Amino acid sequence: EPEVTQTPSHQVTQMGQEVILRCVPISNHLYFYWYRQILGQKVEFLVSFYNNEISEKSEIFDDQFSVERPDGSNFTLKIRSTKLEDSAMYFCASSEKVAGRTEAFFGQGTRLTVV
Amino acid sequence: DQQVKQNSPSLSVQEGRISILNCDYTNSMFDYFLWYKKYPAEGPTFLISISSIKDKNEDGRFTVFLNKSAKHLSLHIVPSQPGDSAVYFCAASSIRSSNTGKLIFGQGTTLQVKP
Repeated sequence: EPEVTQTPSHQVTQMGQEVILRCVPISNHLYFYWYRQILGQKVEFLVSFYNNEISEKSEIFDDQFSVERPDGSNFTLKIRSTKLEDSAMYFCASSEKVAGRTEAFFGQGTRLTVV
Repeated sequence: DQQVKQNSPSLSVQEGRISILNCDYTNSMFDYFLWYKKYPAEGPTFLISISSIKDKNEDGRFTVFLNKSAKHLSLHIVPSQPGDSAVYFCAASSIRSSNTGKLIFGQGTTLQVKP
């Protein structure tokens, strides 16, 4: 069964460092998303991406965040200068159509720990 | 921002009985709702969805009911099995995000099914 794959599963970084979280969406999917879940809190939307453009982003997704689809298979989330409060589980998701009109498939997540 | 609320943090039921998980929402622009299940160290897995033009959707042991006037939906699992033990998230999509796929999640309800 096709699945969304995220690497690494756990990333530890020092405050102020740049991190890149990687995702391989399901191959025939056209819509891509990043969500995050801070420990003990709800899953929060960060950004949606379609046709090589951001289609919607949340208030969390400020200038420190960027997304890219560098080739036909990868989808990345970059945090330029990490802060302690960026520590969270980050989930990549993809969908064939727009999620919310069809289901989004989530990866297993990357746990980011900023120290 | 509590647009989607799952007021019960946890629920415990006996194997074979019905599990009922509840979700309330405040945004009248929500028109599509989804339930996800999440095991520890995994990403959310899609279970079932419902459009606002329906009041019920059934898939095997899972049924979702939508009461638009009360802005309430529920997930029924019959019969419950120990493997259903997980965190269940309610999620909603707004008409305004129909082209972007943004999902708003509730806080989750931890279901424990006892053998």
